Amino acid sequence: AQSVSQHNHHVILSEAASLELGCNYSYGGTVNLFWYVQYPGQHLQLLLKYFSGDPLVKGIKGFEAEFIKSKFSFNLRKPSVQWSDTAEYFCAVISFSGGYNKLIFGAGTRLAVHP
Amino acid sequence: NAGVMQNPRHLVRRRGQEARLRCSPMKGHSHVYWYRQLPEEGLKFMVYLQKENIIDESGMPKERFSAEFPKEGPSILRIQQVVRGDSAAYFCASSPLGQANTGELFFGEGSRLTVL
Repeated sequence: AQSVSQHNHHVILSEAASLELGCNYSYGGTVNLFWYVQYPGQHLQLLLKYFSGDPLVKGIKGFEAEFIKSKFSFNLRKPSVQWSDTAEYFCAVISFSGGYNKLIFGAGTRLAVHP
Repeated sequence: NAGVMQNPRHLVRRRGQEARLRCSPMKGHSHVYWYRQLPEEGLKFMVYLQKENIIDESGMPKERFSAEFPKEGPSILRIQQVVRGDSAAYFCASSPLGQANTGELFFGEGSRLTVL
């Protein structure tokens, strides 16, 4: 079964700092990977996803993630964070089992950006 | 995405009472997923339903929890005889097809259950 590990539970940055959130998944063959974001008081929304092709994936709001197969990683990056990026970030992988798929999430990383 | 509607947003129950959480998927979506979020634990899959069918309930506790998605009306997650450990945020998500095609789920804003 697929599983997802997010290394940092809490990250605090100042505005304009660079961001990298780690995500590792367990090997299970073909992988489809996602990053979701949850802003305070809001629902989860998709930041970006990787199915195949270019391992560097661009998402919304200036986020990107790189799929590195040899490291089983899908780290999220942003060159310069803003206060509005304060949110919880979830990495997720599709688990293929029982003839259908379900989304398996990591524990999440809470990002606080200070002005 | 405002399309997935969950209610109530906040629910307070005393130990032993029942909690019912409702989820209306996005228009045109016929697949519903329930996830539970406990502090520092991320979102844990509970159950996957299609209209009138439970497809995967491997994440549901064996007792006291049940889910349904009737032909008409919202999906219901029911927790009987609640205990303090049931306090959590319960998220519903929907998709237009089985996840195989896009993998993207559309989430509601969650229902936060507090058990006193």
